[in-house]
Amino acid sequence: GQQLNQSPQSMFIQEGEDVSMNCTSSSIFNTWLWYKQDPGEGPVLLIALYKAGELTSNGRLTAQFGITRKDSFLNISASIPSDVGIYFCAGPNSGNTPLVFGKGTRLSVIA
Amino acid sequence: DTAVSQTPKYLVTQMGNDKSIKCEQNLGHDTMYWYKQDSKKFLKIMFSYNNKELIINETVPNRFSPKSPDKAHLNLHINSLELGDSAVYFCASSQERSTTQYFGPGTRLLVL
Repeated sequence: GQQLNQSPQSMFIQEGEDVSMNCTSSSIFNTWLWYKQDPGEGPVLLIALYKAGELTSNGRLTAQFGITRKDSFLNISASIPSDVGIYFCAGPNSGNTPLVFGKGTRLSVIA
Repeated sequence: DTAVSQTPKYLVTQMGNDKSIKCEQNLGHDTMYWYKQDSKKFLKIMFSYNNKELIINETVPNRFSPKSPDKAHLNLHINSLELGDSAVYFCASSQERSTTQYFGPGTRLLVL
């Protein structure tokens, strides 16, 4: 089945720094989704991308759907302590409903 | 208002017991899912239901049985619980089959 590779696995950054993480796939995805999971909570959708090349922002977050449709990145600008959590990329599996998730990027922000 | 809710939030039980986890969504979605998140936080689909019908059942032991009494509910029943069943179970829902999914807060299952 399709697999999503996320990098980096974890990041420790200072408050105020910008963050970049990405997600790659061995096969084409038609939709890219970025979720954030806070400790003890369920994943919450941050940004959805539906078109190759699409660049979408949500506050300090910006995500892009790669031109090859095999990758996506998520940037967070001017990080704050509440950005701490696990960020997952996800996409529909071969046109069926269930999402395939990457293994997550764990973000820690040091005040 | 909670969009996707699950009960219980925590479940601690002995090996061999049977337990159920309930999920409800008030978003009017027609597709619901169960995911399992292991200790390494890897999320994996277990079941997918569309309009009360099972459409996807990934490689899951038949001790796990989903039941959907109506479009707004998808419950998960687990028979003969094993230590390896300890994980966080998330319910999710979406409108139509290939759109974004909304997750519940999770049920933390610990089998002793």
